Amino acid sequence: KAGVTQTPRYLIKTRGQQVTLSCSPISGHRSVSWYQQTPGQGLQFLFEYFSETQRNKGNFPGRFSGRQFSNSRSEMNVSTLELGDSALYLCASSAYRGTNEKLFFGSGTQLSVL
Amino acid sequence: TQLLEQSPQFLSIQEGENLTVYCNSSSVFSSLQWYRQEPGEGPVLLVTVVTGGEVKKLKRLTFQFGDARKDSSLHITAAQPGDTGLYLCAGAYEGTYKYIFGTGTRLKVLA
Repeated sequence: KAGVTQTPRYLIKTRGQQVTLSCSPISGHRSVSWYQQTPGQGLQFLFEYFSETQRNKGNFPGRFSGRQFSNSRSEMNVSTLELGDSALYLCASSAYRGTNEKLFFGSGTQLSVL
Repeated sequence: TQLLEQSPQFLSIQEGENLTVYCNSSSVFSSLQWYRQEPGEGPVLLVTVVTGGEVKKLKRLTFQFGDARKDSSLHITAAQPGDTGLYLCAGAYEGTYKYIFGTGTRLKVLA
């Protein structure tokens, strides 16, 4: 069974640009969550999608948005990039929504904003 | 806002030593998970604990959930270089389906 796939692996952008990151969950998994990881703030929750609907959202500005498609694949978009958006963006999938759900993470997209 | 504090933040030990990592919060969690993350990879789930006072063992790793479900610990016996990595705890609040991650403990085991 293939794991969670995130593309691209690395990305370099300049301030003001926008970026779209992609996540393909494990086959059969319907929940996809996105996290931002930085050395200073650690892993911060961005949002979670289940059956194409955003179910939870973290404390990030509206520049961060996402969506989920009918095949459970998800995309995350960041508009008007700022230097502070430089981070490792991780996607995690799980089979269901529950307090004991197992999160399976991808290897992440390393975004550098210059 | 980080609601889960881990200690220590960094730990460098010799192979064969024992160590304990702590995860503390003022909030009650319905469940708590521990992950290990290696450079260039995403976190990998090690264990989930759900009952106050629960103890789980995974080979040389022992995980404990506090009686009040506000804290947890990870104890590694006879650490090996392969244990090197970033250890993260993550807690889920009752009725929610999102995990809040701790600040992380970066462990380095020297051969």
